[in-house]
Order: sequence, then structure tokens, then C-alpha cells
Amino acid sequence: KAGVTQTPRYLIKTRGQQVTLSCSPISGHRSVSWYQQTPGQGLQFLFEYFSETQRNKGNFPGRFSGRQFSNSRSEMNVSTLELGDSALYLCASSFRPGGGTYGYTFGSGTRLTVV
Amino acid sequence: DQQVKQNSPSLSVQEGRISILNCDYTNSMFDYFLWYKKYPAEGPTFLISISSIKDKNEDGRFTVFLNKSAKHLSLHIVPSQPGDSAVYFCAASAISNQFYFGTGTSLTVIP
Repeated sequence: KAGVTQTPRYLIKTRGQQVTLSCSPISGHRSVSWYQQTPGQGLQFLFEYFSETQRNKGNFPGRFSGRQFSNSRSEMNVSTLELGDSALYLCASSFRPGGGTYGYTFGSGTRLTVV
Repeated sequence: DQQVKQNSPSLSVQEGRISILNCDYTNSMFDYFLWYKKYPAEGPTFLISISSIKDKNEDGRFTVFLNKSAKHLSLHIVPSQPGDSAVYFCAASAISNQFYFGTGTSLTVIP
């Protein structure tokens, strides 16, 4: 079956702009989590959606938002981009909320560069 | 506040020898632990897991050890192979909340 698909793979944006990233989970997976990966910080949890509802939220400012559609696809939006938002954004899907005991399946990520 | 810590950013090991990657956590409520492996330009892939009711789980060349009293887990790779060169992340979860990840350890296996 197809894996987790993230689009686009690479993005370059200017400070102050906004950006929307997309994630299509594995078929049948209803949980989608988003993580930000930066050097030295590892993977920082952004939020999780399960059945179109935000189930958990990490410690990120309100400029970071997301949503999930009825087909489980998810989008993440970052408004008023800052240089520090440059990172690899990873989407992960799972059958159970919170990953359960099977953990996540990750996409390849979207590399966002803010200039 | 980093609840899961990997204090060694990098590790180099000779091919055929043992690689030991360490991970410490602070939250005693964590009950499930995973190790992920990540190659450049790819997302992390699941490697091995362990629940808090066990202290060891083995899968081929990979063994994860959990010491709950020390809040410490480790991943052993024996024997190490050049293809094991990657970044390894440990992750912990409390009652299916969400997974907290460490900062990663970059393993280089020298042929």
C-alpha cells in the first residue's frame, strides 16, 4: 500500500509569507501527526489530528495551525513566516490515536527554507 | 523541556563491532518506547519497540534494553554494518498520548 505522502518536498519562502503543507496518510490511518525537525532539537511535536479533530497540540505559537479532512488528509499552515521556521516538517500517520503501540509511519518530509 | 534526551550527537563504530546508542527520559509515565532510523532526505522508519512491562526486546541484530528505575533505554546493534549508518531517534509515549522524540544520534559504521 502507498506510504505517507507529503507535498511539496521543498519550499522556499520569504519572511512574513505564509505556507501550507499537505500530507496524505496511509489508507485506513485516521491519525495524522506533524513534527518539526531542526538540528539540535530533534523532532518537536506540533499537533495530532484524529477523525478531523485536533487531539493534541505541542508547544508552538498560534502561527502554526492545521486541519484534517474527512478523507484523513491533513494540511499544516504557518503564517507570518520567520527565519527560525526553516526546518524539515514531517507528517506521520497511524491507525490508532497517538500512535498506539505501533508507532508512526512517517512521510519523507517537506524541507521549508525561509529567507 | 526535552523529556527524551540523547546525549551523544554522534557515534563511530568499526564494522562488525557493537554499536550502543543511549537514550534517557524524564517522564515516569512513559510506557512505550520506540527507536527510529533516519537516512538523509527520507522520513524516519520504525526499527524496534519495547513496552514498559519488558526490559529487553530483540529483533535480529537489534536489541533494545529498558531500565525503568534509571529511566534509560539503549539500542544495541550487533554486528554493526555500513548500511546501519544513519541517524537514530528514540521516542517515548505515555498511554497513547503522543510520542516525544530525542534529538537523535548520528551513527557512522566504518568499513
